[in-house]
Amino acid sequence: TQLLEQSPQFLSIQEGENLTVYCNSSSVFSSLQWYRQEPGEGPVLLVTVVTGGEVKKLKRLTFQFGDARKDSSLHITAAQPGDTGLYLCAGGDNNNDMRFGAGTRLTVKP
Amino acid sequence: DAGVIQSPRHEVTEMGQEVTLRCKPISGHDYLFWYRQTMMRGLELLIYFNNNVPIDDSGMPEDRFSAKMPNASFSTLKIQPSEPRDSAVYFCASSVRAGYYNEQFFGPGTRLTVL
Repeated sequence: TQLLEQSPQFLSIQEGENLTVYCNSSSVFSSLQWYRQEPGEGPVLLVTVVTGGEVKKLKRLTFQFGDARKDSSLHITAAQPGDTGLYLCAGGDNNNDMRFGAGTRLTVKP
Repeated sequence: DAGVIQSPRHEVTEMGQEVTLRCKPISGHDYLFWYRQTMMRGLELLIYFNNNVPIDDSGMPEDRFSAKMPNASFSTLKIQPSEPRDSAVYFCASSVRAGYYNEQFFGPGTRLTVL
């Protein structure tokens, strides 16, 4: 079983601050996905990264896949209350499984 | 287009009772996944189907859990008998393909409480 550890578990910041959350594993993944989940809803895919060292940007969100494809980070610039939610990373291998981390619960206060 | 539909949204039952959760995947999606989410264990994959056939049920906790997909537009997850430790949010997701390139579309979940 490939375990994904996410940190921090909880993060509470003020609107306008920057933040970075992490997803780490001892195993190599073929790809890694980031999802955001809002209260009372299912997770929604934000991005998929597949190449070691890859960086993808989605407006104020920047995603990076580690060179060794064992870790990933999500950086949010100038956080807004609408960014509040549970951020989940999910790692995929060459099979059909996507394994999820426990998530980082982000609260952005106005 | 309708997304993944799950019913009921909330279920409260007593220990020992049978519980059936229902899912309608997005039309045209060949893969269907059942997950369970708790604060302690996060999001766990229970079972997934490809073209209505169960492919991997290694995440199913024990024999009290069973899942079926009689056709491409309907799946059920049954717990019999239910126990308090089964309390969780159960999600159904579907995708066009499985694997690491593919996006899973999640339903809104069923919040199960077993008293």
